[in-house]
Amino acid sequence: GNSVTQMEGPVTLSEEAFLTINCTYTATGYPSLFWYVQYPGEGLQLLLKATKADDKGSNKGFEATYRKETTSFHLEKGSVQVSDSAVYFCALSDPNEKLTFGTGTRLTIIP
Amino acid sequence: DTAVSQTPKYLVTQMGNDKSIKCEQNLGHDTMYWYKQDSKKFLKIMFSYNNKELIINETVPNRFSPKSPDKAHLNLHINSLELGDSAVYFCATGGVGETQYFGPGTRLLVL
Repeated sequence: GNSVTQMEGPVTLSEEAFLTINCTYTATGYPSLFWYVQYPGEGLQLLLKATKADDKGSNKGFEATYRKETTSFHLEKGSVQVSDSAVYFCALSDPNEKLTFGTGTRLTIIP
Repeated sequence: DTAVSQTPKYLVTQMGNDKSIKCEQNLGHDTMYWYKQDSKKFLKIMFSYNNKELIINETVPNRFSPKSPDKAHLNLHINSLELGDSAVYFCATGGVGETQYFGPGTRLLVL
């Protein structure tokens, strides 16, 4: 079956540091890949997505590239802010509509 | 205008009670979902409905029964609540392989 493995947290960084959160997946076929973000006390919201190999998703300074050869979709940001503190979920969507999530990575940015 | 709304936001109840959570979406999507998020933030799909028809039914106790009166609503009824049912329940909606839009969550605490 499908699975998503993402970097264990929590991750704590100083403001303006470089961020990488690793995500690898196992799937049959050609899934779409997503990063969702959950701010404290809120529901999940889409951060970015990529629907085919070599696509790069980007939003709010975050980027992730769909790498079929390494089955990865790592999330990066060049300079994080305190407002980026949240839980980040990597996910894949198969043709049967089911969204499979990773375990989530809690990110805390300190001023 | 909220795209996906859930009521109630908080629900505190005694073991053995029966409770319902309601979800409504105004995005016009055919597919709606229920997810459970545990205390470690792990997200697991419970059910998926497409145009009022049950599509995905993961391994969930039959005390949980979803009901979709129309395409815009998917309610979750839980019988004989147990301590282990305490979690945050998220409703979501979206198309096949597309972005899912999540509600704000219902925080259920069973005492």
